[in-house]
Amino acid sequence: DTGVSQDPRHKITKRGQNVTFRCDPISEHNRLYWYRQTLGQGPEFLTYFQNEAQLEKSRLLSDRFSAERPKGSFSTLEIQRTEQGDSAMYLCASSPLGLNTGELFFGEGSRLTVL
Amino acid sequence: EDQVTQSPEALRLQEGESSSLNCSYTVSGLRGLFWYRQDPGKGPEFLFTLYSAGEEKEKERLKATLTKKESFLHITAPKPEDSATYLCAVQALSTDKLIFGTGTRLQVFP
Repeated sequence: DTGVSQDPRHKITKRGQNVTFRCDPISEHNRLYWYRQTLGQGPEFLTYFQNEAQLEKSRLLSDRFSAERPKGSFSTLEIQRTEQGDSAMYLCASSPLGLNTGELFFGEGSRLTVL
Repeated sequence: EDQVTQSPEALRLQEGESSSLNCSYTVSGLRGLFWYRQDPGKGPEFLFTLYSAGEEKEKERLKATLTKKESFLHITAPKPEDSATYLCAVQALSTDKLIFGTGTRLQVFP
């Protein structure tokens, strides 16, 4: 399967713990995006990378959130000191560099539950 | 502020009963408007890109249209396998991020 891969698919943690999600994009896709989705809502933009450079970050993103894409391949999203409000589906998407930058290929997501 | 509003929130159709989903948007310079399909527990799947008013795109039973203020997703003679949440998103000229609406949850009954 050459689609976007996310790990873990499900994570249950206690409030205050740190969690990390990994995303492996489609190979040779330069752009990688992180979105968050809560029940009944559309995906909300968090941040995106072009190769290893983080080009945009949501103003709504708390400083407890950090994302990296060290070699321009896979990416990690870390949430420190989790809160119950962080419970959501974290979606990763990738796209090739080109004109149609809105055509994203999404993974199946990592569902976070904070108790 | 860039914004997307979708209606209705939910739609129940009998198989074969055609209908339309609405996406109203405000954006500071439209680069593109996008339609995605999302099945429960899965990530969104890209359907269409529309760039300018008057443009139309078709795929099987789906047809997307665009005006300066809204987009419609027309579903002709739907089948139960068309049941999903349909998401609309806009992208402004100044950014690469997508702003999504809350989606329309479509259920098609046999």
